[in-house]
Amino acid sequence: GAVVSQHPSWVICKSGTSVKIECRSLDFQATTMFWYRQFPKQSLMLMATSNEGSKATYEQGVEKDKFLINHASLTLSTLTVTSAHPEDSSFYICSASSPGATNEKLFFGSGTQLSVL
Amino acid sequence: SQQGEEDPQALSIQEGENATMNCSYKTSINNLQWYRQNSGRGLVHLILIRSNEREKHSGRLRVTLDTSKKSSSLLITASRAADTASYFCATDRNGNKLVFGAGTILRVKS
Repeated sequence: GAVVSQHPSWVICKSGTSVKIECRSLDFQATTMFWYRQFPKQSLMLMATSNEGSKATYEQGVEKDKFLINHASLTLSTLTVTSAHPEDSSFYICSASSPGATNEKLFFGSGTQLSVL
Repeated sequence: SQQGEEDPQALSIQEGENATMNCSYKTSINNLQWYRQNSGRGLVHLILIRSNEREKHSGRLRVTLDTSKKSSSLLITASRAADTASYFCATDRNGNKLVFGAGTILRVKS
């Protein structure tokens, strides 16, 4: 089956630094990728939808200047948490769909645990 | 915003017993999916049921959907310790966007 690779699996950073998380579709072209955030013992909350070659669409309440999303190619989307603070500590998960696919064909990365000290 | 609500929030059973989790949602859907998440890991797709389907089976999993009540249930039969995980329902919204329920934490004791 299709594979979505997410890197890194975990990252610890100091407050005020920026962290980049990568999401790659390994064997298919992903025109659309989704970024989710999950706090401990809570559900996944959609942060933004990134479309290859265009600006990301952010969900209400998500700061686009803080969570920079780049989807420059059909196989790679990146999420950069800028000037990270302890409250940004969370589990971030991406998912990807192939061209023309419905949400029945979404593939998820393994997630990135971000801890901001 | 969250669309799905799940109950129970947590469920602890003995190995071999059946586990039932419920999910309710608020708006019309095209399909409803169930996912499993082991602690600190990504999501594993379990099963999808379309809005015109009422029941679906996959191995030890049985999913029902009642669109009149806007609810779904996931039944895991003959549970195993390896089934210990969080389980989420997800409904579609505006194309490919998935909205996840709050999740049920299942613990299967051996």
